[in-house]
Amino acid sequence: GEDVEQSLFLSVREGDSSVINCTYTDSSSTYLYWYKQEPGAGLQLLTYIFSNMDMKQDQRLTVLLNKKDKHLSLRIADTQTGDSAIYFCAESITDKLIFGTGTRLQVFP
Amino acid sequence: SQTIHQWPATLVQPVGSPLSLECTVEGTSNPNLYWYRQAAGRGLQLLFYSVGIGQISSEVPQNLSASRPQDRQFILSSKKLLLSDSGFYLCAWRAWRASYEQYFGPGTRLTVT
Repeated sequence: GEDVEQSLFLSVREGDSSVINCTYTDSSSTYLYWYKQEPGAGLQLLTYIFSNMDMKQDQRLTVLLNKKDKHLSLRIADTQTGDSAIYFCAESITDKLIFGTGTRLQVFP
Repeated sequence: SQTIHQWPATLVQPVGSPLSLECTVEGTSNPNLYWYRQAAGRGLQLLFYSVGIGQISSEVPQNLSASRPQDRQFILSSKKLLLSDSGFYLCAWRAWRASYEQYFGPGTRLTVT
């Protein structure tokens, strides 16, 4: 089946690391993604990982993939107030992307 | 470079009225096109997708329909809006050769009153 789950909220202090978690159900997914949505805007692709990888690092972002547990995480180092947004994970299934419910990240000073 | 347009940006419509939202993509050919809806406080729900002109796949049976009259044009319609159709509608495209890049438009906020 197709189901992607995330926790709804995360609150962190500026400068700390943020970790946003996601679980998915379809083991045939070839790519997994993290998107960011700022208020009133569309979604912006942050990063993606191929399913045969365990980790991908891109500047302040680190993606970890545990394919056995179908668990994906996004770590944001040195979180800034500009990182406040909703973060969606998504899995790729043939022609479709299936999105999670989104995690609202709030960064406080 | 590729760009994606959606209009209108915001829309307020009474219950029972028709709906037409348009999405167009520039700078690419034969893209996969998608319509998503984001209800308040909820995630993204895939409504329709299209891999070519006249080819529409419906993900969720409902009050809406989609059409693709041209290669880079995707239209979301309804004959009679319901209150539950309110939400933020997002169009997206993906290059048919690329497995990993999907780009979103700015969205249309629809309020049904």
